[in-house]
Amino acid sequence: AQSVTQLDSQVPVFEEAPVELRCNYSSSVSVYLFWYVQYPNQGLQLLLKYLSGSTLVKGINGFEAEFNKSQTSFHLRKPSVHISDTAEYFCAVTLDLSGGGYNKLIFGAGTRLAVHP
Amino acid sequence: DTAVSQTPKYLVTQMGNDKSIKCEQNLGHDTMYWYKQDSKKFLKIMFSYNNKELIINETVPNRFSPKSPDKAHLNLHINSLELGDSAVYFCASSQILGGGYTFGSGTRLTVV
Repeated sequence: AQSVTQLDSQVPVFEEAPVELRCNYSSSVSVYLFWYVQYPNQGLQLLLKYLSGSTLVKGINGFEAEFNKSQTSFHLRKPSVHISDTAEYFCAVTLDLSGGGYNKLIFGAGTRLAVHP
Repeated sequence: DTAVSQTPKYLVTQMGNDKSIKCEQNLGHDTMYWYKQDSKKFLKIMFSYNNKELIINETVPNRFSPKSPDKAHLNLHINSLELGDSAVYFCASSQILGGGYTFGSGTRLTVV
């Protein structure tokens, strides 16, 4: 069965500094990978996703992530963060069932990004 | 305009009551889901329906019963509410082969 590990539960960072939120996954088959953001008291918003093709994926709000199959990682990066990026970030995985079948999204435990002035 | 909408947004109720949460999506997706987010923010799938058919049923107490009258709607009914049911419940939808899941804004259920 697949699983997702987010290596940091909290990441404090100063405004305008770069940030990396780490995500590793475990699966014996091909997967699709996602990053979602949850602002306080709000729902989940898709930041970016990897389905196939280029391993560097660009998302909204200046975020990007790189799929590394050999290291089974999908780390999220932003070169310069803003106060408004303070939120909970979730990495998620689902199986590549392009041959058919049913799917479910499995989430990591989340990383709390706290941006300080 | 809202893609996945849930009602109500907040629900406060007493132990032992029965309550329902409604969800509707206007994206034309085939599959809908219920996820539970606990107090530690952990998100776990509860149920999934594809075109009105139950396809995923995780280990959830049978006090929870999903119902899908059509592929655009998935409701969640909870009987005999317990304190431990307090959580945020998210509805989501996707195309059957994955590639994108759209979430509703959540229903915060508080059982007192």
